[in-house]
Amino acid sequence: EAGVTQSPTHLIKTRGQQATLRCSPISGHTSVYWYQQALGLGLQFLLWYDEGEERNRGNFPPRFSGRQFPNYSSELNVNALELEDSALYLCASSPNLTSGDQETQYFGPGTRLLVL
Amino acid sequence: AQSVTQLGSHVSVSEGALVLLRCNYSSSVPPYLFWYVQYPNQGLQLLLKYTSAATLVKGINGFEAEFKKSETSFHLTKPSAHMSDAAEYFCAVSVNNNDMRFGAGTRLTVKP
Repeated sequence: EAGVTQSPTHLIKTRGQQATLRCSPISGHTSVYWYQQALGLGLQFLLWYDEGEERNRGNFPPRFSGRQFPNYSSELNVNALELEDSALYLCASSPNLTSGDQETQYFGPGTRLLVL
Repeated sequence: AQSVTQLGSHVSVSEGALVLLRCNYSSSVPPYLFWYVQYPNQGLQLLLKYTSAATLVKGINGFEAEFKKSETSFHLTKPSAHMSDAAEYFCAVSVNNNDMRFGAGTRLTVKP
């Protein structure tokens, strides 16, 4: 069974540009989560999508946004990039509420974003 | 809200020695608890999880953790460290299915 996949693996942008990061969950998983892991700051929760809807967001400005598609894949968009947005962005997925494993999040390899 | 505290941002052990990584949680309801490992430039890999079944949980790569409600702890152990265990380890807690909180992480170094 394929795991969570993310693309691209690396992304280099300049200040003010927009970045789009993509995530494909494990087959059968309906929830997708996004986290930011900046140097020295640990994992910070960004967004949670389930069944195409944004269910929760962390303490990030509105220029961090995303969506979930009908096939449950997801995009994270970061507008007006700032230097401090440089980080590893991790996507995770979890099964639906009837699966019995819905509390576990499975992570992808991440996209490393560098803002110059 | 639930939270976890990992005691010690860096732990160093010799190869073959016991590994003990500490995690204490705070939760007003019975929690789900997890340990994840992150190797350099990679995502998080699930090591093990506690979901209110057995209090001693065995995971991958020889790791195990014991849920102690009286101490609100979920420490991770491995009897004998290998060089390949060098990584960052994260403890996490979840009380509502989709609200997972992570500790700050513990970087494990294994000396030859």
